[in-house]
Amino acid sequence: EIVLTQSPGTLSLSPGEGATLSCRASQTVDTSFLMWYHQKPGQAPRLLIYGASNRAAGIPDRFSGSGSGTDFTLTISRLEPGDCGVYHCQQDVGSSLIFGGGTKVEIK
Amino acid sequence: QVQLQESGPGLVKPSQTLSLTCTVSGDSISRDSFYWSWMRQPAGKGLEWIGRVYTSGSVKIHPSLNSRVTISWDTSKNQFSLKLTSVTAADTAVYFCARGTPYTGSYYFESWGQGTLVTVSS
Repeated sequence: EIVLTQSPGTLSLSPGEGATLSCRASQTVDTSFLMWYHQKPGQAPRLLIYGASNRAAGIPDRFSGSGSGTDFTLTISRLEPGDCGVYHCQQDVGSSLIFGGGTKVEIK
Repeated sequence: QVQLQESGPGLVKPSQTLSLTCTVSGDSISRDSFYWSWMRQPAGKGLEWIGRVYTSGSVKIHPSLNSRVTISWDTSKNQFSLKLTSVTAADTAVYFCARGTPYTGSYYFESWGQGTLVTVSS
């Protein structure tokens, strides 16, 4: 079974700074199968990126996804206070669906 | 725009069965190509996929929960449901329902319910 490992566990950054979040798979993943979500406290996750690099509807271009093989990255530029929360990567290969452990982003 | 809403008891006793329903509005759960899924999230922890029902009626369940989970759907009510038997405190979590949207051989979750907290306690 594929495992998704996210790092770092927590990022503490100031508004205006950039953030780089990593999602590493234990086996090669098709880029079509890699998604990113943002979850604010007390809310459901919100889709940010699908297919590793495609922004979902309404997501600003400050958010970008990249990567292939086993290493995927979510980059957030010009952090805003509303970007705080937990970011999850997810992979769905049909027979199973897996989430990473999440990266918490704190805005100072 | 599709909306999903979970409903069910917020408190379940150990060894009993957890039953939740997800009511869908703004879309038909029998519309081709999509699937309907359940996830959960214990407090302070990550998301865990529980299972899904396809519009064909076929079901896939997380292997670790396969013996305890039933997912079904009622197209006449535009609802799908989760039953989890023999619950323990480890099943305490916020439970989410979501719609899986197809994308080149995979699916992503663009629409989610707000989540419902289920506590397992006597």
